Amino acid sequence: AQSVTQLGSHVSVSEGALVLLRCNYSSSVPPYLFWYVQYPNQGLQLLLKYTSAATLVKGINGFEAEFKKSETSFHLTKPSAHMSDAAEYFCAVIFTGGGNKLTFGTGTQLKVEL
Amino acid sequence: DAMVIQNPRYQVTQFGKPVTLSCSQTLNHNVMYWYQQKSSQAPKLLFHYYDKDFNNEADTPDNFQSRRPNTSFCFLDIRSPGLGDAAMYLCATSRQVTPQETQYFGPGTRLLVL
Repeated sequence: AQSVTQLGSHVSVSEGALVLLRCNYSSSVPPYLFWYVQYPNQGLQLLLKYTSAATLVKGINGFEAEFKKSETSFHLTKPSAHMSDAAEYFCAVIFTGGGNKLTFGTGTQLKVEL
Repeated sequence: DAMVIQNPRYQVTQFGKPVTLSCSQTLNHNVMYWYQQKSSQAPKLLFHYYDKDFNNEADTPDNFQSRRPNTSFCFLDIRSPGLGDAAMYLCATSRQVTPQETQYFGPGTRLLVL
């Protein structure tokens, strides 16, 4: 079955430390992959997306993600966390043949500490 | 600024009392989506409109209906809300239904059912 998994529902980092949020998918054909961020009581904002071009994708706010087909992964990273990065992050996929239907992971709450 | 607008941001209704949530967009996009996001869960697609064509997800309860009177507006109607329908409801838009198209989300309406 096709699915998307985010490891770690809560991640805590110190300000200035590396941020790594994990996302894996299960599909025989590589899907389209997205990372969205959601601040409290707000909608979802697109951080970046992979649509079969370059495997390293750069997004907004200093985030980037690398598509690794062999590992079926699309982990999100940021070299140096800022307090304003505290939010919930959702990995989402559109599977082949799925039109434009986004299937979301369960989300990772990022906490940034001083 | 072009955007997706949802009104109201917070809605309280009574068990069994019909309620309508509103979404409007100034992006002139062809596609409008409704997602349900329950507390601490991933957003889940309920249905979408491509222009005037309505596309319902197979597991969307019959209690949920939608109307799109014109390009700019889309409504979510819950005919008889139950306690389990309390959630954040997110509206999104995209130009087309192809996977490469970004979905732009509104801020959401949080529904409370008493």
